[in-house]
Amino acid sequence: GAGVSQTPSNKVTEKGKYVELRCDPISGHTALYWYRQSLGQGPEFLIYFQGTGAADDSGLPNDRFFAVRPEGSVSTLKIQRTERGDSAVYLCASSPGNQETQYFGPGTRLLVL
Amino acid sequence: QKEVEQDPGPLSVPEGAIVSLNCTYSNSAFQYFMWYRQYSRKGPELLMYTYSSGNKEDGRFTAQVDKSSKYISLFIRDSQPSDSATYLCAMSAGAVFGNEKLTFGTGTRLTIIP
Repeated sequence: GAGVSQTPSNKVTEKGKYVELRCDPISGHTALYWYRQSLGQGPEFLIYFQGTGAADDSGLPNDRFFAVRPEGSVSTLKIQRTERGDSAVYLCASSPGNQETQYFGPGTRLLVL
Repeated sequence: QKEVEQDPGPLSVPEGAIVSLNCTYSNSAFQYFMWYRQYSRKGPELLMYTYSSGNKEDGRFTAQVDKSSKYISLFIRDSQPSDSATYLCAMSAGAVFGNEKLTFGTGTRLTIIP
């Protein structure tokens, strides 16, 4: 079956611009996670959705970052007033829940010039 | 200090060798311990996970957890060139596997030389 998909695969933007990154989880998965992976580092947790609601947003670095999942399926990570330090791979993962692992998408590579 | 420490390598070994990868951690609340493999420009994929202390074996892979020392290991036997990837340890504090954020190590880049 289809895995987690993320669009776009690559995004280049200028400092100060607004970007949206999209995640399509595996069908039927109720849990959805966003992580950020900087070069040479492991993924760093940003936010976790259970259904439509954010169950844990403790990893969002500041108020420029926001994520939604309005219908409990597709999720969008939104970054306002991008900064060069936001350049990273943004990974999305989904899980059906209890006793199941998180399945990761290929990521969106964001470059802020 | 990071919650999870992992030697970033890189690590190069000849084909057929035994590989040992390790992580240490500081958060006593971690209950689930995972190893992910990540190929270049791909998302991480789960290799295996262990709950609490103990060993788990899956084919050529063995995971060990020592909660008293806050130390986990992954051993790869009879290493193959296809094992060349970045290996990430990850941990969670949730009571139920799969319902909690993951805390990752830096990742160790491994190359198996044919």
